[in-house]
Amino acid sequence: RKEVEQDPGPFNVPEGATVAFNCTYSNSASQSFFWYRQDCRKEPKLLMSVYSSGNEDGRFTAQLNRASQYISLLIRDSKLSDSATYLCVVNMLTSGTYKYIFGTGTRLKVLA
Amino acid sequence: DAGVTQSPTHLIKTRGQQVTLRCSPKSGHDTVSWYQQALGQGPQFIFQYYEEEERQRGNFPDRFSGHQFPNYSSELNVNALLLGDSALYLCASSLGGGWQSGANVLTFGAGSRLTVL
Repeated sequence: RKEVEQDPGPFNVPEGATVAFNCTYSNSASQSFFWYRQDCRKEPKLLMSVYSSGNEDGRFTAQLNRASQYISLLIRDSKLSDSATYLCVVNMLTSGTYKYIFGTGTRLKVLA
Repeated sequence: DAGVTQSPTHLIKTRGQQVTLRCSPKSGHDTVSWYQQALGQGPQFIFQYYEEEERQRGNFPDRFSGHQFPNYSSELNVNALLLGDSALYLCASSLGGGWQSGANVLTFGAGSRLTVL
């Protein structure tokens, strides 16, 4: 089982739609969680950190469920510019140190 | 505020050759991590440098080595290149190591795209 798993997609949604991505992680001793956005052939950029209480940034909402070991990202009112790959990142304790483990990413394409 | 800078942006090598990639961290950051990203995959952790020492290492062979300099910049060296080493190599910087607490956010450079023929 992969340490961090995501549905690779692609998710093709019309403009204005709401779309949700999930990510599961294997190690319960995980410290921090993030969503990064990566545009084609570009570097990943931090979208938002994910907190246990859930957090919202404009049209984006992230949730963490430690009991079930998954995090989610909800995008409301999708824009064409939201088209990208969304990477789930978990900072987990392995062999006594923390490492940032990336999922394979979920591709989103927002259609006009 | 200078972000993470990497060089070169693109390079082509042949099997068996050696390559050195360079990274300057974001101003104020002291920790550098290197990742390999193959097409269609997420970034895979290679290693992390803090205080000029390798602090953590991912599942990569000894052909992959690195160095951190007193000014926090870093190099990634890959020897005896294989076709499978073709990938985007990403450098990420952060502050304070992070391997002990897991509390730091990574900032990425634009990457060095390596093609091995």
